[in-house]
Amino acid sequence: DAGITQSPRYKITETGRQVTLMCHQTWSHSYMFWYRQDLGHGLRLIYYSAAADITDKGEVPDGYVVSRSKTENFPLTLESATRSQTSVYFCASSDPEGTAFFGQGTRLTVV
Amino acid sequence: GQNIDQPTEMTATEGAIVQINCTYQTSGFNGLFWYQQHAGEAPTFLSYNVLDGLEEKGRFSSFLSRSKGYSYLLLKELQMKDSASYLCALGGGADGLTFGKGTHLIIQP
Repeated sequence: DAGITQSPRYKITETGRQVTLMCHQTWSHSYMFWYRQDLGHGLRLIYYSAAADITDKGEVPDGYVVSRSKTENFPLTLESATRSQTSVYFCASSDPEGTAFFGQGTRLTVV
Repeated sequence: GQNIDQPTEMTATEGAIVQINCTYQTSGFNGLFWYQQHAGEAPTFLSYNVLDGLEEKGRFSSFLSRSKGYSYLLLKELQMKDSASYLCALGGGADGLTFGKGTHLIIQP
């Protein structure tokens, strides 16, 4: 089925470990995004990508790394997880009109 | 910043109409978007406005006034399943959307 999927859906990791969250879309959208959602803050943009091999920082990029070697994949890596990175992470892609479509989310807990 | 403001919480009655307001302080954006988010789920797209005026989609309508920095989402014939958070967002370009903190809508029987 066409759409945008994230994996894993749930993840518990320890402080200091590296974690990669996966995102895959089948629409061939050029634009892709990573957001985190926390109580009291709403959705905040971490990184975005306009096309393969083009990425840029959003509002809260510190502690995160992204890559986009293929149009359909946009993985997000936490290089050394901290408790402040406990959050729900959403990947999204947008159509040419700018409407963003979200994956199901990854609930990450750092202990 | 874009300072997007929405009420934190609203309560309405099943079958009634509710208007959720969104104000912002920026002029440079492609469009204003509304999303619905049920607890524990991803945001889903409802409506968007590029030009000033009203856009109607079934029970949902959205209005934009760029000169006043104001938008609203109107929900008619409210149903219990409309209990959710409603997110106002600006943008629509390569750098994505900037979201307000959302309005938690409670529908009472």
